[in-house]
Amino acid sequence: DAGVTQSPTHLIKTRGQQVTLRCSPISGHKSVSWYQQVLGQGPQFIFQYYEKEERGRGNFPDRFSARQFPNYSSELNVNALLLGDSALYLCASSLGPGLDTYNEQFFGPGTRLTVL
Amino acid sequence: DAKTTQPNSMESNEEEPVHLPCNHSTISGTDYIHWYRQLPSQGPEYVIHGLTSNVNNRMASLAIAEDRKSSTLILHRATLRDAAVYYCIRVGSGNTGKLIFGQGTTLQVKP
Repeated sequence: DAGVTQSPTHLIKTRGQQVTLRCSPISGHKSVSWYQQVLGQGPQFIFQYYEKEERGRGNFPDRFSARQFPNYSSELNVNALLLGDSALYLCASSLGPGLDTYNEQFFGPGTRLTVL
Repeated sequence: DAKTTQPNSMESNEEEPVHLPCNHSTISGTDYIHWYRQLPSQGPEYVIHGLTSNVNNRMASLAIAEDRKSSTLILHRATLRDAAVYYCIRVGSGNTGKLIFGQGTTLQVKP
């Protein structure tokens, strides 16, 4: 079975531009979470979506938005890019919304975003 | 935020056991302890989790202190492939799919 897939693998943008990152969860998984990982640090939570509704939001500005589609895939959108948005963006899926019940999040390989 | 404390780095020799410690002195009675690891150039992967009792799976063992204020991830025979950053994470009841990653422990495995 395929794991979590993300596209594109790498992306280069300039300041002020907008970017859309895509994620396909493992088949049967209804929850998708997004994380930002800056070089040398652990991943930071951005959003969680479950059944197309936002269930959690991290401490990120409104320039960051996301949505989940009926097939449970998800997009992360970042507007007005800043140099500091350069990072690895990780998508993770799980069966359900609560990790106390559903235990594991399965991570994709990430999208490496470079903002020049 | 749910805090855990881990050493920044550890070294091990190949084929020897590795004990990775984690302190979570403010843990509540319903918080689980999860461990993830991140190999170079990959996303994190789940390793193991537990609540009170020690746990074993094919990847590792998790030993949880009786007062639950600390835990230890045990890799029984380290291989070069186990070189990674290991994260100890508290997961509370009602969790909404949010994992709070700290700096983790970077494990180096020497041949």
